[in-house]
Amino acid sequence: RKEVEQDPGPFNVPEGATVAFNCTYSNSASQSFFWYRQDCRKEPKLLMSVYSSGNEDGRFTAQLNRASQYISLLIRDSKLSDSATYLCVWGNSGGSNYKLTFGKGTLLTVNP
Amino acid sequence: NAGVTQTPKFRVLKTGQSMTLLCAQDMNHEYMYWYRQDPGMGLRLIHYSVGEGTTAKGEVPDGYNVSRLKKQNFLLGLESAAPSQTSVYFCASSYSPTRTGNEQFFGPGTRLTVL
Repeated sequence: RKEVEQDPGPFNVPEGATVAFNCTYSNSASQSFFWYRQDCRKEPKLLMSVYSSGNEDGRFTAQLNRASQYISLLIRDSKLSDSATYLCVWGNSGGSNYKLTFGKGTLLTVNP
Repeated sequence: NAGVTQTPKFRVLKTGQSMTLLCAQDMNHEYMYWYRQDPGMGLRLIHYSVGEGTTAKGEVPDGYNVSRLKKQNFLLGLESAAPSQTSVYFCASSYSPTRTGNEQFFGPGTRLTVL
């Protein structure tokens, strides 16, 4: 099983739609989780961290299910500017070495 | 603050040539990383550094060397470039991992083509 698995998409949704992405991870020792966003031909940027109790930032909601080892991202009222690739990321600290493992990303296109 | 910068932005090499990619950050971050990103493969860690003067291997270190002589700089070297090293290279930096949920800040990337 790959360390981080995401549905690659592409997801094509109309403006105003609600869209959800799921991501599964294989390492039960994973300590921190994130969603990063990457625009075409640009660098990844942090969208939001994912907390155990779930968290919301405006139109974005992230949830973590440790028992089932998956995280999710919900985008409400999609905007054209939400079009991007969304990367599921988990972090693991092995002693003093902290590394992030990235999923391959889910491509979202929001259409007018 | 400039954040994380990378030079060059683009480069074309012939097989067997060497080059060095430079990453610089002005956020006083302890940790720095080099990734490569290929279509369908996602971001893969090449090497990383937990502080000035230290380096460690990541997931795909073969064919690359790194150095961290100064805290703000992290260099990635290709001694003898191969076509398989055609990729987009991203540098990133972050604070010490003792701070939970650290964000990694990425540079704009270097697009390298090896002919």
